[in-house]
Parts: sequence; C-alpha cells; structure tokens
Amino acid sequence: EVQLLESGGNLVQPGGSLRLSCAASGFRVSDYGLTWVRQTPGKGLECVAGISGDGGNTYYGDSVKGRFTISRDNSKNTLYLQMNSLRAGDTALYYCAKNQRFLEWSPVDSWGQGTLVTVSS
Amino acid sequence: EIVLTQSPDTLSLSPGEGATLSCRASQSLTRSYVAWYQQRPGQPPKLLIYSTSSRATGIPDRFSGSGSGTDFTLTINRLEPEDFAVYYCQQFGRSPITFGQGTRLDIK
Repeated sequence: EVQLLESGGNLVQPGGSLRLSCAASGFRVSDYGLTWVRQTPGKGLECVAGISGDGGNTYYGDSVKGRFTISRDNSKNTLYLQMNSLRAGDTALYYCAKNQRFLEWSPVDSWGQGTLVTVSS
Repeated sequence: EIVLTQSPDTLSLSPGEGATLSCRASQSLTRSYVAWYQQRPGQPPKLLIYSTSSRATGIPDRFSGSGSGTDFTLTINRLEPEDFAVYYCQQFGRSPITFGQGTRLDIK
C-alpha cells in the first residue's frame, strides 16, 4: 500500500523559511515522480513543485519559482520542499503526492494527508 | 496560463441520478494531459480519470470522461451516496499546471 507521510508544517513569520519532508513507502520510489500540491479555501489546488524519479528534472509553479526548492533522496525514500522568503499567500495545506509516471509532471495517483503551513506575524 | 473553468459551481442531485460536470479550458488541450479528481470532506483529492477518458485504478465504470479541444466532461452514472463530493479537473500539458475551481456535487 502506498503511504506518504508529510511533516514539517508550522507557523512561520513572513520572510522566514521552512522545510517540508515526505516519507514514502509501499512502492519503488525511484520509479515515480513526486509532487507537492497545496490547497487553500480561497485559491483551491495548486501544483507547487514536481520532481522526476531520478531527481534530474523539476517543475515549479510560477508563484514559487526562485523561492522554493524541491529535492529527493531515493536512498531514504524521502521528498523535500525547502521554502524560503515565505509570504502570507503561501499559507496552505501542503500535500505530498506520487505521480502516476516517472516524469516530474503527470497526474498524481496517491496523496498524503497534508501538513499545514501558516505564514503570519 | 491556461485557465480551467468548471461548471456548474454546485450541482444538487439525488442518489441514482446521473451527473454531468464540465471543464472548459482557455486554450486547446491535448487529451493526454487532462485529469479529474474527487475530493471528499477532510480527505485529499483522489485521481478518477487521466488522459481525458482513462479510469484510474479501482475507479468504478460509473465514472467516465470525454472531451477534446477546450471542452471536457466528467459523467457519473447512477450516483451513489459516496459520490457527493467536490470534483476538480486538471491540465498538465502546459506550464503552469492548473486546476479548475471545482464543482461541488450535493445531495438534493
């Protein structure tokens, strides 16, 4: 059974940094791309970043380019999202998700339960 | 950016009825790059349909997808109580990847 367990969400001040982690299990992690998707009541769903199975290719949403960095450690079955220069608009529930394919962007067929990031002073 | 507009915003139907949900794109999309998700309260989204019309693993055949160009449709036959949820379309053919705003399917 695919399991994705996010951690690292917290309350952080504007301009601050945070690193999210996602522990993956139940599948051969290196065979699949992974994605961070965030959700807010106001802006709905947004694909924040994606990474290919080998980490060689990445995707970033326009709103986070230059501020967020996605990475993965296949030896630890773990996905990361380094978030810098955080803004109030980054406040959201962040989901870790498994891509249907090896690529950095494709439909996502499994999701974690999410970790909450709140950016506020 | 490709904007996906879903209609209606809310659809109120009774169990056993059929539902038709629409997703209109601001630019033409390749069929391979359109997906649909279901989200129940308190749960993450769940992949229903990919490549416009292919059902994801474990999805019953009451769910079907169709469309081309700028107009895509999710059809649900014989609504079951667990089908009342929010449905999102997604395109990943052009960056940035975008989702529709969602259609809420309510019990009438």
